[in-house]
Amino acid sequence: EVQLLESGGTLVQPGGSLRLSCAASGFTFSSYAMSWVRQAPGKGLEWVSGLSGSGGSTYYADSVKGRFTISRDNSKNTLYLQMNSLRAEDTAVYYCAKFRSNSINDAFDIWGQGTMVTMSS
Amino acid sequence: DIVMTQSPDSLAVSLGERATINCKSSQSVLHSSNNKNYLAWYQQKPGQPPKLLIYWASTRESGVPDRISGSGSGTDFTLTISSLQAEDVAVYFCQQYYSGRTFGQGTKVEIK
Repeated sequence: EVQLLESGGTLVQPGGSLRLSCAASGFTFSSYAMSWVRQAPGKGLEWVSGLSGSGGSTYYADSVKGRFTISRDNSKNTLYLQMNSLRAEDTAVYYCAKFRSNSINDAFDIWGQGTMVTMSS
Repeated sequence: DIVMTQSPDSLAVSLGERATINCKSSQSVLHSSNNKNYLAWYQQKPGQPPKLLIYWASTRESGVPDRISGSGSGTDFTLTISSLQAEDVAVYFCQQYYSGRTFGQGTKVEIK
């Protein structure tokens, strides 16, 4: 069964850092581009970041560029999101999502259950 | 950035009746090189992640019932549920992946 399992979400202070992980199973991880998409409480979906199957090409939304870093370890079938200089507006459920192909110009066909990141004041 | 605007924000439909959701992009998402519309539709139920329904504007994802269909091209798209079932109650999002990746604000579908 194809599965994505996120972890690492927690309560964090503004200005702090956090690393999210996403463990993939059931498919050839290195053959697919991967992404993070977030959803603030009661709000819509916002694409955050994506990267190619090799990890050689990375892409970011303007709202997180320079603060977040996406990476992957294909030997561990795991996707990461390093989040620095966190702001109140970063509070959201963060979903790990698989692209249908190794192109980031494609739809997301598999989503994890999400991990909650909350800024505490 | 390409802005995606859905209408309506919510709709209530009787069981067995048709539900229609519209999605408009601020610029065309039709790629001239392959004549494909870079547009997807997702369904999200409470407490669950989104689920892919449609990609390339009209290709149904495996396992999606054929009462759910997508149509449109360029800047105007439609998701149609031909005969609403109780399990279709959800929020539906359109998403473009032509340039960047942006989502519509969502349309909540309820039973009348």
